[in-house]
Amino acid sequence: QKEVEQDPGPLSVPEGAIVSLNCTYSNSAFQYFMWYRQYSRKGPELLMYTYSSGNKEDGRFTAQVDKSSKYISLFIRDSQPSDSATYLCAMTLWTTDSWGKLQFGAGTQVVVTP
Amino acid sequence: GAVVSQHPSWVICKSGTSVKIECRSLDFQATTMFWYRQFPKQSLMLMATSNEGSKATYEQGVEKDKFLINHASLTLSTLTVTSAHPEDSSFYICSAKSDFRDENTEAFFGQGTRLTVV
Repeated sequence: QKEVEQDPGPLSVPEGAIVSLNCTYSNSAFQYFMWYRQYSRKGPELLMYTYSSGNKEDGRFTAQVDKSSKYISLFIRDSQPSDSATYLCAMTLWTTDSWGKLQFGAGTQVVVTP
Repeated sequence: GAVVSQHPSWVICKSGTSVKIECRSLDFQATTMFWYRQFPKQSLMLMATSNEGSKATYEQGVEKDKFLINHASLTLSTLTVTSAHPEDSSFYICSAKSDFRDENTEAFFGQGTRLTVV
């Protein structure tokens, strides 16, 4: 069983719709959660991070973490064609040795159609 | 945000040759750098953790004699793929973290290196 599970998609939505992405994980020791966006043949870029359960908003993006269910989500409101990319969830332990050592989900390919 | 630069962006090499990939932190000192590999339509898989001035720590299943990592300074780590084979063709990505740690710390990623072994 993978430590981080993420549906690879593709997920196709019309422009303006809400994109809903999620990941589940098995290691309850993970404490720091991130969402990255990756365009084709590029390195990942950080979208959002959080280290506690609950919601965090940043513009059109909302990240949710439910540690009791080991479930994290990312919502993109008013989606645009430029949001078309692969979205990767990632998480890490809060320890000196593990900080920055990320466990990634498989990534979900999102296509926003005009 | 901080900048991590990888070079080259893409490289084609012949089977049996060695290829070196550089990862530089341009505006911060990175005590630790990470090397990931990503196959098409798959997620990033951590290969090794590179600490400045010490030997790299490799993940299970990664051949340390094949993937040589050197972290000689606080701004540069290199990954050398030795005796490359076609199955080594992949997208290699480095990330770096600074030597401070707070809730806003993130691991900054390079743009990746596309390696094709023919």
